[in-house]
Amino acid sequence: KAGVTQTPRYLIKTRGQQVTLSCSPISGHRSVSWYQQTPGQGLQFLFEYFSETQRNKGNFPGRFSGRQFSNSRSEMNVSTLELGDSALYLCASSWTSGAGELFFGEGSRLTVL
Amino acid sequence: GQQVMQIPQYQHVQEGEDFTTYCNSSTTLSNIQWYKQRPGGHPVFLIQLVKSGEVKKQKRLTFQFGEAKKNSSLHITATQTTDVGTYFCAGTKAAGNKLTFGGGTRVLVKP
Repeated sequence: KAGVTQTPRYLIKTRGQQVTLSCSPISGHRSVSWYQQTPGQGLQFLFEYFSETQRNKGNFPGRFSGRQFSNSRSEMNVSTLELGDSALYLCASSWTSGAGELFFGEGSRLTVL
Repeated sequence: GQQVMQIPQYQHVQEGEDFTTYCNSSTTLSNIQWYKQRPGGHPVFLIQLVKSGEVKKQKRLTFQFGEAKKNSSLHITATQTTDVGTYFCAGTKAAGNKLTFGGGTRVLVKP
């Protein structure tokens, strides 16, 4: 069974630009969560989607947004990029919302110059 | 908001020795999970604890959930070089709530 797939794996942007990251969950998983990982802040929760609805949201500014499609694939978007947005963005899928094992993808490493 | 803290932040261990890492929550948890992230990799699920006082073992790893369901520990015996990585605990206040991760304990093993 294929794991969680994230694209792109690496990308470089400049301040002010916007970026869209994609996540394909494990087949049958309906919950997708997004996390930002930085060396100093650990894993910070961005948001969770379940059956196309945002179930939970972390404490990030409105520049960070996401959505989930009917096939459970998810995208997150960051607008007006700042240097501090440089991080590894991890997507995780699970069978249910807010409970049970999370299966993480390899992540998308964003560098903002 | 809910906070999950882990200590120590770094753990240098001599190969063959034992060590314990601790996880403390500011609120009572519904359940707690542990993940391991190898250098350059992504977090991988290790275990989930649900019951107060629960103890689970996986080979050389022993996980414990506190009686008050506000803390947890991971004890590794006879540390090996394969144990290198960052160990994260993550808890949720109730089913359906977000999973909050601790800052992680980065384990370095000296051969």
